[in-house]
Amino acid sequence: EIVMTQSPATLSVSPGERATLSCRASQSFSSNLAWYQQKPGQAPRLLIYGTSTRATAIPVRFSASGSGTEFTLTISSLQSEDFAVYYCQQYNNWPYTFGQGTKLEIK
Amino acid sequence: EVQLVQSGGGLVQPGGSLRLSCAASGLIVSSNYMSWVRQAPGKGLEWVSLIYSGGNTNYADSVKGRFTIARDNSKNTLYLQMNSLRAEDTGVYYCARVLQPREQRLAPGSNDYWGHGTLVTVSS
Repeated sequence: EIVMTQSPATLSVSPGERATLSCRASQSFSSNLAWYQQKPGQAPRLLIYGTSTRATAIPVRFSASGSGTEFTLTISSLQSEDFAVYYCQQYNNWPYTFGQGTKLEIK
Repeated sequence: EVQLVQSGGGLVQPGGSLRLSCAASGLIVSSNYMSWVRQAPGKGLEWVSLIYSGGNTNYADSVKGRFTIARDNSKNTLYLQMNSLRAEDTGVYYCARVLQPREQRLAPGSNDYWGHGTLVTVSS
């Protein structure tokens, strides 16, 4: 099983600033990584698939990159609606696995 | 517009059974890969099961032999039959559609449409 480890667990950033979230995999793979945003009481929302492709209707301030075992999600200028929990997920090998999440909070 | 409407959650005793339903509109369940993902209270996400358009299925080790994913094509509905339930199965269960990327170089495996979630509580 591929273990996904996200860091930091909590990130405090001011609105308008840039946020960088990290996701590390226990095994190397390419492309098959997604990022989700989840707000309290809501289902997750797909942001990124294929490591760097934005899902439908996702704003351009969300970007992502990576390969091998290191992946990154960047939010270029934080808006109030971006404060949430973010999860990475690999779908290279079954079982598909998620990271434990990064909580992005207002500084 | 795609909608996934879930039903069937509730309180059940350890060892009991429950069936979750996910009625789809705006997509054809049998033509898509469909999944169940769960979230224990205050915890992260766990992918529970996947059914491919061809009918093959995958399960997390934690539920293998106890849970069964299935679909009813005539009702355009996805199901998760859960037997021998344990306290650790407690959580919100989401059904979701697996995205088939337009980009041919990319594989399917992320969930783009999600149900609203249904709470399963296993407790005596």
